[in-house]
Amino acid sequence: DAKTTQPPSMDCAEGRAANLPCNHSTISGNEYVYWYRQIHSQGPQYIIHGLKNNETNEMASLIITEDRKSSTLILPHATLRDTAVYYCIVRVARGRSGGSNYKLTFGKGTLLTVNP
Amino acid sequence: DTGVSQDPRHKITKRGQNVTFRCDPISEHNRLYWYRQTLGQGPEFLTYFQNEAQLEKSRLLSDRFSAERPKGSFSTLEIQRTEQGDSAMYLCASSPRGLKETQYFGPGTRLLVL
Repeated sequence: DAKTTQPPSMDCAEGRAANLPCNHSTISGNEYVYWYRQIHSQGPQYIIHGLKNNETNEMASLIITEDRKSSTLILPHATLRDTAVYYCIVRVARGRSGGSNYKLTFGKGTLLTVNP
Repeated sequence: DTGVSQDPRHKITKRGQNVTFRCDPISEHNRLYWYRQTLGQGPEFLTYFQNEAQLEKSRLLSDRFSAERPKGSFSTLEIQRTEQGDSAMYLCASSPRGLKETQYFGPGTRLLVL
């Protein structure tokens, strides 16, 4: 799976949008971009994923550049409870042969601190 | 709540003892994964089951580690002769069959080996 690069930490004011960048310059055409977050001492929580198009759900929006070499996760109105480590993961979609395409390869992520 | 559950949530043991953790995936999820997370690092993949078949094991999974999913439902992860380096959070995740295959994680079992 392609490697991702994220800033180690970011700050955001409560109520403002949090924009978390991720570089994945070696991404392949059949690889998805996934975002998870992990609040202290809890298991990772799935946020959103996408392939080419921008995606939005109740938690966040995912903006993927046209060349797919980078993406941005947007939390539109950050709250104190959004303070967490955010992981950007690139994972190949399941191939016809199945096999080891399923595992998630986590980096160190970005620690987002939302301040009052 | 029908999320992934793990038991116990915390385990303290002495070096050399055996420990076993249990994971109950989301109902009808046929895929189950184990990950390990040490302090300051992201989770690392350990092993993966599709139904009862263990399809992949990481090189991180030494001979002291064994995982089972006998009926394709819950899974157990056993560590024999624990070492201090085994201290970590052990995470379980499950995913459904299909194109999305999004993995949903449990709360984890935190192991401390003294």
